[in-house]
Amino acid sequence: DQQVKQNSPSLSVQEGRISILNCDYTNSMFDYFLWYKKYPAEGPTFLISISSIKDKNEDGRFTVFLNKSAKHLSLHIVPSQPGDSAVYFCAASAGDKIIFGKGTRLHILP
Amino acid sequence: DTGVSQDPRHKITKRGQNVTFRCDPISEHNRLYWYRQTLGQGPEFLTYFQNEAQLEKSRLLSDRFSAERPKGSFSTLEIQRTEQGDSAMYLCASSFSRAPYEQYFGPGTRLTVT
Repeated sequence: DQQVKQNSPSLSVQEGRISILNCDYTNSMFDYFLWYKKYPAEGPTFLISISSIKDKNEDGRFTVFLNKSAKHLSLHIVPSQPGDSAVYFCAASAGDKIIFGKGTRLHILP
Repeated sequence: DTGVSQDPRHKITKRGQNVTFRCDPISEHNRLYWYRQTLGQGPEFLTYFQNEAQLEKSRLLSDRFSAERPKGSFSTLEIQRTEQGDSAMYLCASSFSRAPYEQYFGPGTRLTVT
């Protein structure tokens, strides 16, 4: 049973536009939600997190929104840049473990 | 400190052989985690340490797998009698115990069992 779901395996966005990556979860006990970015042949890189008591967190071009009633979070990247092309993992923490989704591959088109 | 490092980056072994991987975490971090990632999946939790104590093991970690962190610094993950199903990327991460959700990953060790 997947507790963190990323239903879009891939997404293509024009450079300069907004990229929106979505994630759904099932466990209401998660206390933190995270986004990681992964390039080929590298480990995941921590991008941004949000506590379950907040609904928005912003860091530069990256903003994460949390909708607890819908058990949904999203990552907005604006403006999208070529270096943003990567696999993005949504993840959630309940205590000491992190549970990852399967990832969404983001392609930024020139 | 340059981040989490893992060695080797790639390992090819024959079925039935034993392999050992090493992870050096960020030096200030007291928590160290091992994950496994297969194609098309996100990282899956295997086990974690706080200092030298192994606090949790996933049911994914069969009896053929053992992990140690003897002095609370680097860690090793050993797989005995490897099987083709063990082929995967093995990732190590570290964090502070006060922020376990903010984990920093190494580049991984890609294991291929032939």
